[in-house]
Amino acid sequence: EDKVVQSPLSLVVHEGDTVTLNCSYEVTNFRSLLWYKQEKKAPTFLFMLTSSGIEKKSGRLSSILDKKELFSILNITATQTGDSAVYLCAVEAGGTSYGKLTFGQGTILTVHP
Amino acid sequence: NAGVMQNPRHLVRRRGQEARLRCSPMKGHSHVYWYRQLPEEGLKFMVYLQKENIIDESGMPKERFSAEFPKEGPSILRIQQVVRGDSAAYFCASSSLQGATEAFFGQGTRLTVV
Repeated sequence: EDKVVQSPLSLVVHEGDTVTLNCSYEVTNFRSLLWYKQEKKAPTFLFMLTSSGIEKKSGRLSSILDKKELFSILNITATQTGDSAVYLCAVEAGGTSYGKLTFGQGTILTVHP
Repeated sequence: NAGVMQNPRHLVRRRGQEARLRCSPMKGHSHVYWYRQLPEEGLKFMVYLQKENIIDESGMPKERFSAEFPKEGPSILRIQQVVRGDSAAYFCASSSLQGATEAFFGQGTRLTVV
């Protein structure tokens, strides 16, 4: 069975801090790994990663995938209170499971002013 | 271009009643995925549908749950004879291509069974 584990489960920081969120996975026939941000509503897409070692960046957020060690990290620099949310990691398998996402339990990030 | 629309946003049902959750995918999207988020847990895959076809229902409970995506109209997730354990947030995602690459999520329906 496919499995995704995120750590830490929760994190409290102050504005301006840098945070690193971790995601490890076990999946048969890996296709992609995705990061989402969830703020009491729909998960919103952040990144999709398919290749090892290639960093994806969007503003203060960046992410990288290591397919050998089966993990990904999401970095947020110069955090702001608006970054407070649950960050979800998910993996997509290919083959007959094509399109189905297996999610981790999420990391709850709280950024204090 | 409206996003994925789910309704109702909140639904309260008594034990034993039926719950119908609707999902209108983004325009041009023919692939729909349903997920359930129980309190304090991550999202769990339930079912993947294309127009008029169920592609993968491996995450659906065997009894009381069903899903459809007709040629016309929204996708429907139906829960018969609801129990307290069905209380959760139900999210729908849609994509234009097979696969999660371009999948966008709706706002979810929060079902409360009393």
